[in-house]
Amino acid sequence: GAGVSQSPSNKVTEKGKDVELRCDPISGHTALYWYRQSLGQGLEFLIYFQGNSAPDKSGLPSDRFSAERTGGSVSTLTIQRTQQEDSAVYLCASSLAAASYNEQFFGPGTRLTVL
Amino acid sequence: ILNVEQSPQSLHVQEGDSTNFTCSFPSSNFYALHWYRWETAKSPEALFVMTLNGDEKKKGRISATLNTKEGYSYLYIKGSQPEDSATYLCASTPNTGNQFYFGTGTSLTVIP
Repeated sequence: GAGVSQSPSNKVTEKGKDVELRCDPISGHTALYWYRQSLGQGLEFLIYFQGNSAPDKSGLPSDRFSAERTGGSVSTLTIQRTQQEDSAVYLCASSLAAASYNEQFFGPGTRLTVL
Repeated sequence: ILNVEQSPQSLHVQEGDSTNFTCSFPSSNFYALHWYRWETAKSPEALFVMTLNGDEKKKGRISATLNTKEGYSYLYIKGSQPEDSATYLCASTPNTGNQFYFGTGTSLTVIP
């Protein structure tokens, strides 16, 4: 079956512009996570959604970052007024449910470059 | 935020050598430890998840152990092959939520 997909695969933008990154999770997976990997860093947790519950936004680095998940499926991560330090690979993952022991299935990522 | 550390940062081994790397994590509020393999130009793939102290998991030539009391896990690869070349990530999840906290990974290169 189809895995997690993300779009675009690459995004180059100018400092100050807004960007939207999209994630399509595996059908039937109720949990969806966003991470980013900056150069030389590990995967940094940003936010996760579980079903219709309020998302856990504890990892969002600033109020310029926000995410939505419509209809319990597709998610969009929005970065407003992008800064150069936002340049990173943004990964999305889904799992059957948000649980500490559940395997996460990752998408291919979106490489964001802010000039 | 949990501080998860991995060592070494990178490793080069000859084909056929066995190798191992370490993941250290806070032992307090621990719930589960995950290992993922991330090959270049691909998505991270799950290898193992372990929850109990003393857990050992094995998949082919790759195995992992867990010590929750002292807060570390080892990943072993026996008889490394070039296709094992990848970055190996570990992630710790606390019993206070469902966030995954990843280490920076160990980059393994197996030289034919």
